[in-house]
Amino acid sequence: GAGVSQSPSNKVTEKGKDVELRCDPISGHTALYWYRQSLGQGLEFLIYFQGNSAPDKSGLPSDRFSAERTGGSVSTLTIQRTQQEDSAVYLCASSYRGDSYEQYFGPGTRLTVT
Amino acid sequence: AQSVTQLDSQVPVFEEAPVELRCNYSSSVSVYLFWYVQYPNQGLQLLLKYLSGSTLVKGINGFEAEFNKSQTSFHLRKPSVHISDTAEYFCAVSRLSGTYKYIFGTGTRLKVLA
Repeated sequence: GAGVSQSPSNKVTEKGKDVELRCDPISGHTALYWYRQSLGQGLEFLIYFQGNSAPDKSGLPSDRFSAERTGGSVSTLTIQRTQQEDSAVYLCASSYRGDSYEQYFGPGTRLTVT
Repeated sequence: AQSVTQLDSQVPVFEEAPVELRCNYSSSVSVYLFWYVQYPNQGLQLLLKYLSGSTLVKGINGFEAEFNKSQTSFHLRKPSVHISDTAEYFCAVSRLSGTYKYIFGTGTRLKVLA
């Protein structure tokens, strides 16, 4: 069946612009995670959704970052006023439910801020 | 809090030789343990996981790992590597409750030489 998909696969933006990254989880998966992979920081957790609510936003690095999930499915990660340090690969993962521990990852969105 | 250490950032090995990728973790509570592989420009794929039971876990592509609670380690092994195993390997832990978010190690780049 279809896996986790993310769009766009690559995004180049100018410093100061806003960007939206999209994640389509596996159908039926209620838990959704965003991670960031960067050279300096490795793989870091950003935010966790269970259904449409986000009980854990502890990894969001600043208030420029926000995310939402609608219909218990698609999620959008928004970065406002992008900075060069936001350049990274943003990975989305989903799991059947929050307690099923195995996460399935999408291919990621590579964000470059110039 | 949990942390994961992968001491080897790069491991070169000749084709058909055995390999061990090391992972140590720190946690005040019990955790689940995972190994993921990332091929170039792709997302993360689960190799294997330890949840409970037998400490020797077998995964895909001939990989296995052994959970050692006393040494807080979860090293990944393969008796004979192939060129196609060239990739980056990540060790991760998650708590047994809560959000099940992953805490990742910094990754080990395995390079298999002909």
